[in-house]
Amino acid sequence: QKEVEQNSGPLSVPEGAIASLNCTYSDRGSQSFFWYRQYSGKSPELIMFIYSNGDKEDGRFTAQLNKASQYVSLLIRDSQPSDSATYLCAVTGDNFNKFYFGSGTKLNVKP
Amino acid sequence: NAGVTQTPKFQVLKTGQSMTLQCAQDMNHNSMYWYRQDPGMGLRLIYYSASEGTTDKGEVPNGYNVSRLNKREFSLRLESAAPSQTSVYFCASSEAGGDRPLHFGNGTRLTVT
Repeated sequence: QKEVEQNSGPLSVPEGAIASLNCTYSDRGSQSFFWYRQYSGKSPELIMFIYSNGDKEDGRFTAQLNKASQYVSLLIRDSQPSDSATYLCAVTGDNFNKFYFGSGTKLNVKP
Repeated sequence: NAGVTQTPKFQVLKTGQSMTLQCAQDMNHNSMYWYRQDPGMGLRLIYYSASEGTTDKGEVPNGYNVSRLNKREFSLRLESAAPSQTSVYFCASSEAGGDRPLHFGNGTRLTVT
């Protein structure tokens, strides 16, 4: 059973601060890593994906991958109240067709 | 461009009843998936279809069957619904497997009484 672990939160940060979300995974063969945002009652929407070790930036979002330590993180700079949502980490294994999700971290950005 | 369309949006069943959840995508994706989401459990894979004509079990397939009707459509059937199947069900599709992201439908909220 491949496991993807996330702190359920809630993680509370003030508006304008940096929010740091973390995810660890058990399968060393994992190849691709994704961050999804899910608002209450809505479907997940893709924020970022990362395949290689290191950092990947997209606007206010930065994904960080460390395959040796088996973790992937998401940084949100200049957090806004509209960023308040649950953030889901997903990984794929050596079978590229299977995506495994963590249980999500709930983020609250306080005005 | 509708993306991934699921029907119905809501459904209430009695224990033992059957139903089929429908999913269609218009993005010409090869891979399609069915997930369920329960509070605190994240998304768990029920079944997936890597390409037209193939289906495989995911993490929680018991009590479900699927049909990949054609490249666009992937249905999920509950033959005899149980209260444990009360959940939110998401269909998703992907261009070519795990190196491309999943695109989700809007979900079906199912309650089994």
